Parts: sequence; C-alpha cells; structure tokens
Amino acid sequence: QKEVEQNSGPLSVPEGAIASLNCTYSDRVSQSFFWYRQYSGKSPELIMSIYSNGDKEDGRFTAQLNKASQYVSLLIRDSQPSDSATYLCAVKGGGSYIPTFGRGTSLIVHP
Amino acid sequence: DVKVTQSSRYLVKRTGEKVFLECVQDMDHENMFWYRQDPGLGLRLIYFSYDVKMKEKGDIPEGYSVSREKKERFSLILESASTNQTSMYLCASVRDNQETQYFGPGTRLLVL
Repeated sequence: QKEVEQNSGPLSVPEGAIASLNCTYSDRVSQSFFWYRQYSGKSPELIMSIYSNGDKEDGRFTAQLNKASQYVSLLIRDSQPSDSATYLCAVKGGGSYIPTFGRGTSLIVHP
Repeated sequence: DVKVTQSSRYLVKRTGEKVFLECVQDMDHENMFWYRQDPGLGLRLIYFSYDVKMKEKGDIPEGYSVSREKKERFSLILESASTNQTSMYLCASVRDNQETQYFGPGTRLLVL
C-alpha cells in the first residue's frame, strides 16, 4: 500500500514568515512529486512539481526533494494571508498516471 | 490552458435517486478520474478511465458506476443515492505522457 503522509496542521505562521510544509512517502520507486494548493470549497490547483533530488524554485515557492529519505517539502517565503489554504502532496511512480495523495496540511497565515 | 468542467457546482438529491455527474475536458487527454473528498479522509479515487469505453475501479467504487462514450467526457453515476454519498466530487484528467493532473471545479453533492 503506497502511503503519503502529511501533518494535518493547522500550521500557523505570521505574515512575511517562511512556511515549511512536509511530506513523506512510502514507495521507494516514486519518481514524480507534486504540491497542490486547495482553498476552502475549491478544487486543488497545481503549484509545484519536482522530479529530481534537490531544490526547485518558482517565485516565492521552493520544493525540496530527498529521495534517499523519501521526503519532499514545500517552502513558502514571505507568506501572505492569501496563502492560507490546504496544501496537498501527491506522489507518482514511474509509468503510472495515478498519483497517491496525502490528506493535506492546513496553512494559516495571520496578519 | 487545460480546462476541465463539471456539470454542476452544487446538487441536492433525495435518497434513492439516480444521480449523474458529468465531466468534460478540452485537451484531448486520454486519462480521466473521479474522486470524492471528505474532511479528514482526503482525496479518494472512485473510478478512472484510460480510454474511451475503458474503465478501472479505484479505491472506493461501491455504489458508483461510470461511463466514457467520448474521449472528452467522463460521467459518474450514483445508481441509488444514499446519505453517505454526500461529498465533494472532483473530476481530473491527464494526458498519457504528461505528469500533471488537472482538476475540475468540483461538485458538492448533498443527499437528503
């Protein structure tokens, strides 16, 4: 059984701080990793994907992947109240088009 | 931009009714999915389809069926709605050689 684990939170950070969201996965052959943002009552939207070990930056977002530790994280710099949402981690194995989703971490950015 | 649309944003049905949820994507994606999302349980895969007329059960197919007569359209059918099927239903699609799932806006279904 493939598992993707996330702390449900809520993670509360002040505006302007760095928010750090973490995800661990059980399937060692996983190759593709995604972070989705989901606002309350809305559908998930992709914000980052990462496939290789190391960091990938896109604006205020940085995804970090460590396959040896089976760990992927999302850093949000200069957090804004508009970043308040649930963040879903998703993991896919090679050759599969079906991701396994974590249950999500709730992030609250307070002014 | 990929666009995935769902027939209704909100739906209220009565126990025992047959319910149809429709999903349409405009990017010629081969693979389409139906999920339900409940608080504390995350996204759970109901059914998916990798081609026209092809379907595969996901993790929780009981009480549901699906239909894919055209590549762009994937329908979820609740044969006899029950109160425990009250949920947010999300459709997604992905091209065979692409990595990213694109989600529709979701249908919030209430079964009374």
